[in-house]
Amino acid sequence: AQSVAQPEDQVNVAEGNPLTVKCTYSVSGNPYLFWYVQYPNRGLQFLLKYITGDNLVKGSYGFEAEFNKSQTSFHLKKPSALVSDSALYFCAVRDGGSQGNLIFGKGTKLSVKP
Amino acid sequence: GAGVSQTPSNKVTEKGKYVELRCDPISGHTALYWYRQSLGQGPEFLIYFQGTGAADDSGLPNDRFFAVRPEGSVSTLKIQRTERGDSAVYLCASSEGLAGPLGTDTQYFGPGTRLTVL
Repeated sequence: AQSVAQPEDQVNVAEGNPLTVKCTYSVSGNPYLFWYVQYPNRGLQFLLKYITGDNLVKGSYGFEAEFNKSQTSFHLKKPSALVSDSALYFCAVRDGGSQGNLIFGKGTKLSVKP
Repeated sequence: GAGVSQTPSNKVTEKGKYVELRCDPISGHTALYWYRQSLGQGPEFLIYFQGTGAADDSGLPNDRFFAVRPEGSVSTLKIQRTERGDSAVYLCASSEGLAGPLGTDTQYFGPGTRLTVL
């Protein structure tokens, strides 16, 4: 069965410091991996995705993620955090052989302090 | 351009009542998805439409839940005999429709409908 794990409920970083939000996955076929961000009372906003090719994926708002097949991970990163990055981040996976629905992790709350 | 819209933004109902939640996808998107997000959890898949037909309804929790998309655009999620456990945020997403095993397209989400069953 497909699954996604986000091992940290919350990540705290100081503004200007690098941030990492962790995600590991389990799928039977080739993984299609996504990161979304959710601000309070808002829907999910797409950040980036990995389908194939370069393991380092660049996305919106300066975020990037590194696909690591051997570790089955897809951690979200940003070199320098902003207070406005504070939000709930969701990792999602789609099995390449599936119809299309995404399997989401439980989410990680990112808090960036000035 | 306009994103995915959902109405109402909030719905409060009483146990046992019937509710309808509406989703208006991005124009031209043929694939439409419904998810349910409970407090403190990630979204969970309910149903997926490709065009007018439900391609996958395996996520619907029981037969009280039903969704339609009669003209391949707007979709309505219908919940009969609501229960308190149905309280959640219902999210709709759409994509260009390159779904299936070769599909890699991105799903874009609406703001959600917060359903509260008293």
